[in-house]
Amino acid sequence: IAGITQAPTSQILAAGRRMTLRCTQDMRHNAMYWYRQDLGLGLRLIHYSNTAGTTGKGEVPDGYSVSRANTDDFPLTLASAVPSQTSVYFCASRETVGNSPLHFGNGTRLTVT
Amino acid sequence: TQLLEQSPQFLSIQEGENLTVYCNSSSVFSSLQWYRQEPGEGPVLLVTVVTGGEVKKLKRLTFQFGDARKDSSLHITAAQPGDTGLYLCAGRISGSARQLTFGSGTQLTVLP
Repeated sequence: IAGITQAPTSQILAAGRRMTLRCTQDMRHNAMYWYRQDLGLGLRLIHYSNTAGTTGKGEVPDGYSVSRANTDDFPLTLASAVPSQTSVYFCASRETVGNSPLHFGNGTRLTVT
Repeated sequence: TQLLEQSPQFLSIQEGENLTVYCNSSSVFSSLQWYRQEPGEGPVLLVTVVTGGEVKKLKRLTFQFGDARKDSSLHITAAQPGDTGLYLCAGRISGSARQLTFGSGTQLTVLP
């Protein structure tokens, strides 16, 4: 059972470098999401996509970009990483029907030095 | 300021004790979900509540949605070490196109 696959599992990145976090789902869900999780702040939405070909900004989009070329993949790119982007990043997907739940990957732990 | 405030932030109890965690807001929610997250993993849905005053039970866990749909609680009876984890509430604001909003979470530790 795969569900949501995120890569890499963890990464240490020098400030100013470009980084793409990968996310792939095999559930054919229309909607996909990127969250960051920081202690005491819960999960904050970075970007989302309601369907392939469309994207939207979440609560904390600055410094991040996404693309949704197909249903399965939703990469998150940090164009020029900064230390404040040190966090655990979670990708999620859901069916866009009623209150269907979010299905999460196991996260990418990113440290920007 | 968090849209959804969870309390307590941390809770450490002995096996067999009962506990309640709270999720509060000044906004009205059309639905509210509770997730549990274990170390190194993503959150997993426990329950969804949609009707004001609704009560749902999942074995030893009881979830309640406030009458005004602004708050929710999670009560665990006779806690076990396997209940240890981060409990997150998440809601959709009524009448808004805004995406799901998460609370800051309650870290529960149940000691054997």
